Amino acid sequence: DTGVSQDPRHKITKRGQNVTFRCDPISEHNRLYWYRQTLGQGPEFLTYFQNEAQLEKSRLLSDRFSAERPKGSFSTLEIQRTEQGDSAMYLCASSLITTGSSYEQYFGPGTRLTVT
Amino acid sequence: DAKTTQPPSMDCAEGRAANLPCNHSTISGNEYVYWYRQIHSQGPQYIIHGLKNNETNEMASLIITEDRKSSTLILPHATLRDTAVYYCIVEYGNKLVFGAGTILRVKS
Repeated sequence: DTGVSQDPRHKITKRGQNVTFRCDPISEHNRLYWYRQTLGQGPEFLTYFQNEAQLEKSRLLSDRFSAERPKGSFSTLEIQRTEQGDSAMYLCASSLITTGSSYEQYFGPGTRLTVT
Repeated sequence: DAKTTQPPSMDCAEGRAANLPCNHSTISGNEYVYWYRQIHSQGPQYIIHGLKNNETNEMASLIITEDRKSSTLILPHATLRDTAVYYCIVEYGNKLVFGAGTILRVKS
């Protein structure tokens, strides 16, 4: 257990429905990342926050995806109008960034989304 | 795109050292070398990272060549539980870019 938790662990939804995932990072960590992983591939970066500010979004993050970190603590990732291609493992990671430090990230267990 | 090259798979006998190579010939001066592993259906697990010097922690050792163009992750006494996909990543802050990694199979 890394201290990063994700909820739910599994989600099955019908195509066209909206889904929301939650990530609770390690409490003192100021950075929070979202990744997506499909079967047989390495994780792909989606977006990251430093405190409450969303600093970078991947081109993979279409308009149907939105992420928030309203108080700089937990984060949510929402997918609107889900498509079968959204089926994947959604991973959250957190890290502590300080001046001059390195940036190891600690990952949660992931949320596995299946769109039927 | 990932900036590293790793062999797709390796086998190791239980109790022996596992040496996982990684080439990163385009690494820049301020980029760190990170190693993560992912056991089936779990999130990636941080192992170790380094900039120039060799590093050791309770899990592994990281040997970085003097020109920094390659590195080796060493698991000193591999166990069956070390069977996983091992990712070598070079990055400075921000996002991690994962390649395909090396599937390490530890066999009894």
